[in-house]
Amino acid sequence: QKEVEQNSGPLSVPEGAIASLNCTYSDRGSQSFFWYRQYSGKSPELIMSIYSNGDKEDGRFTAQLNKASQYVSLLIRDSQPSDSATYLCAVTRGYQKVTFGTGTKLQVIP
Amino acid sequence: DARVTQTPRDKVTEMGQEVTMRCQPILGHNTVFWYRQTMMQGLELLAYFRNRAPLDDSGMPKDRFSAEMPDATLATLKIQPSEPRDSAVYFCASGLSQGGLYGYTFGSGTRLTVV
Repeated sequence: QKEVEQNSGPLSVPEGAIASLNCTYSDRGSQSFFWYRQYSGKSPELIMSIYSNGDKEDGRFTAQLNKASQYVSLLIRDSQPSDSATYLCAVTRGYQKVTFGTGTKLQVIP
Repeated sequence: DARVTQTPRDKVTEMGQEVTMRCQPILGHNTVFWYRQTMMQGLELLAYFRNRAPLDDSGMPKDRFSAEMPDATLATLKIQPSEPRDSAVYFCASGLSQGGLYGYTFGSGTRLTVV
């Protein structure tokens, strides 16, 4: 079992719709959870972090965490073509190394 | 804007040659990571350092790869001898030791092609 699992996609959504990206992790002791966005040919960019159960909102982005189910998600409201990218889920325990999922490719169709 | 600087941006080399990639972390960051990214494997952690000390290099093929931090402003990743299967994008990332809580900043990467 991979430590961090994501559906590779591509996930296609029409412009203006809500995109929902999901991630599961295997280490129950994980404490910090991140979403990185990576445009094609570019480096990953941190867009959201979440540390406690529940929702965290930042503009059009909402991160959701459920530690009991070992599940973290990212919602993108009012999706724009510029949101088309690969989204990487990353997990860490304390000060230890960050483990990445393989990413979900999102395509927002105009 | 503070940034992680990686050189070279692109490298094409012949099999068997030595390759050296360099990374300048953000000033003040004390944790540095080397990742390799391929389509098949995604982001793989090769090595990481905290306060210049290597903490984990278990993801690195030790017979050919080596990672060092000769000083706080420079991290290097060497491959000797290089093989075609080493072709990938190599990323350096830096952060504070609390970065496990706050995330890290990535450099723009070195695209390595071994022919």
